[in-house]
Amino acid sequence: EPEVTQTPSHQVTQMGQEVILRCVPISNHLYFYWYRQILGQKVEFLVSFYNNEISEKSEIFDDQFSVERPDGSNFTLKIRSTKLEDSAMYFCASSESPGQVYEQYFGPGTRLTVT
Amino acid sequence: QKEVEQNSGPLSVPEGAIASLNCTYSDRGSQSFFWYRQYSGKSPELIMFIYSNGDKEDGRFTAQLNKASQYVSLLIRDSQPSDSATYLCAVLHLGSNYKLTFGKGTLLTVNP
Repeated sequence: EPEVTQTPSHQVTQMGQEVILRCVPISNHLYFYWYRQILGQKVEFLVSFYNNEISEKSEIFDDQFSVERPDGSNFTLKIRSTKLEDSAMYFCASSESPGQVYEQYFGPGTRLTVT
Repeated sequence: QKEVEQNSGPLSVPEGAIASLNCTYSDRGSQSFFWYRQYSGKSPELIMFIYSNGDKEDGRFTAQLNKASQYVSLLIRDSQPSDSATYLCAVLHLGSNYKLTFGKGTLLTVNP
């Protein structure tokens, strides 16, 4: 069964450093998403991406964050100048299409620890 | 602020019983509702979605939606210990085809 994959599974970085989280969405999916979940809290939407541009982003997704689809398979989230409060699980998701009948499938996540 | 509320639990049921998980939402423009299961330390796993009033069944799972009451529920029949997890309700709002708003989740424990 096709699935979303993410690398690395765990990333430890020092405050102020840049990190890139990588995702390979399901191959026939066209819409890609990043969510995050701080330990013990809700899953929160960060950004959606289609046709090489951002479709929607949340208030969390400020200038510190960027997304890119560098090739035909990868989808990346870059966090510049990481802060302690960026420590969280980051989930990539994908769907065939947006809208009410299209499910978003989540990858296994990257646990980001900022020290 | 569009809110999705769930009883955090824990909800404890014996093996073989029916588990009932509830979710309310604040935005009347919400159009689709998703149930995800999340094991500790893992990612959300989609169980099912519903967007029309009434019931939708898939195996041991039944989702129920009442838009007038802004209420959605998930019933799990013949609960198994492997169903023990946190169940997340997620909502897609009118005007956004992309952003799922999640509740905090209900922790379900099924006792053998």
